[in-house]
Amino acid sequence: EEQLVESGGGLVQPGGSLRLSCAASGFTLSRHWMTWVRQAPGKGLEWVANINQDGSETNYADSVKGRFIISRDNAKNSLYLQMNSLRAEDTAIYYCAESGGTRAWGQGTLVIVSS
Amino acid sequence: DIVMTQTPLSSPVTLGQPASISCRSSQSLVHSNGNTYLSWLQQRPGQPPRLLIYKISNRFSGVPDRFSGSGAGTNFTLKISRVEAEDVGVYYCMQGTQLCSFGQGTKLEIK
Repeated sequence: EEQLVESGGGLVQPGGSLRLSCAASGFTLSRHWMTWVRQAPGKGLEWVANINQDGSETNYADSVKGRFIISRDNAKNSLYLQMNSLRAEDTAIYYCAESGGTRAWGQGTLVIVSS
Repeated sequence: DIVMTQTPLSSPVTLGQPASISCRSSQSLVHSNGNTYLSWLQQRPGQPPRLLIYKISNRFSGVPDRFSGSGAGTNFTLKISRVEAEDVGVYYCMQGTQLCSFGQGTKLEIK
């Protein structure tokens, strides 16, 4: 069974950093563009960033550009999101997903930015 | 950037009756590889999004056949042939052809 499992969320102060991880099982991550999506409390889905199969191309939403870094380790079948200079508006559940929308989603990991 | 527009934003439906949600993209979603990366997601209250349909009309594993997707180019539709109580939630269309973007969500509720 294909599965994506996100981890690394938590409570962090404004200006702090956090690194999210996404572990894939049941399918080979290295064959796919991968994406991070977030959902603020009571809001819709927002694309955050994506990365190509070998990690040589990345794209970011304007809201996170210059603060977040997406990366991957295909040997570990894993995806990452390094989040720096966090703001209150980054508070959300963060999901990893296959970029073409052809695979199941994980449960997400909650990030709360608050003092 | 591709903007996804869903209608309606709210859909009260009687149990056993059909429901339909439309999604329009600001640009064609046909990728250079010939695929159209238009998906439909269901989010039940308190749950993560669940993939229902991918590449316009393909039902994901375990999705009941009362769910169907159709469309082409910039206009797409999700149909539920007979709404059941477990279908309550918010439905999103998602495009993965150029970066990624989502519709605003359509709240399906029972009358």
